[in-house]
Amino acid sequence: EAGVTQFPSHSVIEKGQTVTLRCDPISGHDNLYWYRRVMGKEIKFLLHFVKESKQDESGMPNNRFLAERTGGTYSTLKVQPAELEDSGVYFCASSQYHPGGPGNTIYFGEGSWLTVV
Amino acid sequence: GESVGLHLPTLSVQEGDNSIINCAYSNSASDYFIWYKQESGKGPQFIIDIRSNMDKRQGQRVTVLLNKTVKHLSLQIAATQPGDSAVYFCAERDGSARQLTFGSGTQLTVLP
Repeated sequence: EAGVTQFPSHSVIEKGQTVTLRCDPISGHDNLYWYRRVMGKEIKFLLHFVKESKQDESGMPNNRFLAERTGGTYSTLKVQPAELEDSGVYFCASSQYHPGGPGNTIYFGEGSWLTVV
Repeated sequence: GESVGLHLPTLSVQEGDNSIINCAYSNSASDYFIWYKQESGKGPQFIIDIRSNMDKRQGQRVTVLLNKTVKHLSLQIAATQPGDSAVYFCAERDGSARQLTFGSGTQLTVLP
């Protein structure tokens, strides 16, 4: 079974440009998460989808970041316009959904490594 | 705010020795804890998890211990191998939330 897949694996863009990151969760996983790790910092939560609905987007840093999950399958995270401080690695993760329960193991993708120059 | 942190940023052990990586957390509402391993250039890989109603859980060569009294979590790796060299993160989840809060990571280096 395929794990969480992310694309692109690496991206180098200029300040002010737009980048769109894509995540394909593990098949059957309704929970989808975006996290990121910027240089020297810990991994930080960005947002959480349950199917196509945004459950929690409290970690999104500002309105330059837009996440979507149309159809409840894959998700995209767009950064527009990109700033230097957006450089880092963006991880997508997924897990199964059990209403009322503590949830299952969260599996991470390999990450999309973004460099803004 | 509440956070999860690690006692040591780096740890070096001899191949074949046991490793112990520690983690402190401060959110008393956390009910689920996970250890992840991250190798260079890769994403966090699930190692082992433990729920708050347990104090010990064992996997293959790994053991996680949870001490809720002092809010402490540890990962023990038996017979550490070169392939165990990586950054290890502990993460916790608040019972009311779904997302994870990560610690800053411990770099484990296995010496030949």
